[in-house]
Amino acid sequence: GAGVSQSPRYKVAKRGQDVALRCDPISGHVSLFWYQQALGQGPEFLTYFQNEAQLDKSGLPSDRFFAERPEGSVSTLKIQRTQQEDSAVYLCASSLAGGPYEQFFGPGTRLTVL
Amino acid sequence: QKEVEQNSGPLSVPEGAIASLNCTYSDRGSQSFFWYRQYSGKSPELIMFIYSNGDKEDGRFTAQLNKASQYVSLLIRDSQPSDSATYLCAADTGFQKLVFGTGTRLLVSP
Repeated sequence: GAGVSQSPRYKVAKRGQDVALRCDPISGHVSLFWYQQALGQGPEFLTYFQNEAQLDKSGLPSDRFFAERPEGSVSTLKIQRTQQEDSAVYLCASSLAGGPYEQFFGPGTRLTVL
Repeated sequence: QKEVEQNSGPLSVPEGAIASLNCTYSDRGSQSFFWYRQYSGKSPELIMFIYSNGDKEDGRFTAQLNKASQYVSLLIRDSQPSDSATYLCAADTGFQKLVFGTGTRLLVSP
């Protein structure tokens, strides 16, 4: 079946603009994660959903970051009033619930804030 | 101190050699550990995971876990140029929340 998809793949925003990044997880995957990966670094956890419930948002760097998954499938990560330090690749991953299940990553959205 | 530490490399090995990648972690509550491979410009893909002390083998790959020493390693036997990538070690700290290291860049020369 299809893997995790993300859109857009690339986004250029002017400082101060709002952006919305979309993630379509693998069908049937209950858990969905967002990570931020800066150049030369490993992915950093942002937030985690189990179905539509956001169980952990401890990694969101500021209140400018907001994520939702209203129907338990597609998720959107929104960044308000973007700053240059928000420039990174935003990765979405999904997995089956529970256990040390594999997280399948999407191709990511590369955000560049000018 | 980061929760998961890796040497950034690059680690250079000749084709056919064994590549040894190492990782240490600070949270003793971590139960499961994952090795991901990430090619430049691509997303991470899982190689294997381990949650019991000892060795776990899968083809050319062997993961090793020592919880007393808080140490995880990945051995790649018969390294190929196609194995050249960044290898990310991750610890599951609970609720599947993964904490990643910065990754080790592996270069396999023909």
